[in-house]
Amino acid sequence: GAVVSQHPSWVICKSGTSVKIECRSLDFQATTMFWYRQFPKQSLMLMATSNEGSKATYEQGVEKDKFLINHASLTLSTLTVTSAHPEDSSFYICSARGPGDNKYEQYFGPGTRLTVT
Amino acid sequence: SQQGEEDPQALSIQEGENATMNCSYKTSINNLQWYRQNSGRGLVHLILIRSNEREKHSGRLRVTLDTSKKSSSLLITASRAADTASYFCATRGTSGSRLTFGEGTQLTVNP
Repeated sequence: GAVVSQHPSWVICKSGTSVKIECRSLDFQATTMFWYRQFPKQSLMLMATSNEGSKATYEQGVEKDKFLINHASLTLSTLTVTSAHPEDSSFYICSARGPGDNKYEQYFGPGTRLTVT
Repeated sequence: SQQGEEDPQALSIQEGENATMNCSYKTSINNLQWYRQNSGRGLVHLILIRSNEREKHSGRLRVTLDTSKKSSSLLITASRAADTASYFCATRGTSGSRLTFGEGTQLTVNP
């Protein structure tokens, strides 16, 4: 149980376009989801925390107008990178807080590799 | 900023040897977790140790936690080539709101 999926697993887009990444909790309801960014050979950096039905909370230095997060249901959160630029190329990983007694633990998706050309 | 610092940054060993990775953190924690990440892939949760625990085992993994020194170690015994990956520690603060990752250790196990 507690599986998190992401779609797409990789995407290549042109500079200036927008890209949407989906994160789904497959077998549980996730009131809280997290979005991380990871550059090559570096650690995960938390970008934002999203709660179902409310606005996301962004970490310092993360542009909320550039990285739009929508957590419209208990099983789906989306991250839209708007007007993407090459420096946005990165590995984006979502995570969902677990259900029930595991609500303080997080389950991670497999990541989405974004390449902006 | 990242709370956890890990050392070594990179570790290369021969198959069958043990691998030890260390993690230090700065503030009080609820728990500390270790994750593995194969190149270009997502995270795999390995083990969680709570702040009131000192040692935990899972298969070939042994994790210790010293809250007085704000440090943890991950020991992988009898390593295998398939253990080659990056290993991250992550701490959950006492407020419980976020998971903060360390910088990671790149482990290479040579066959």
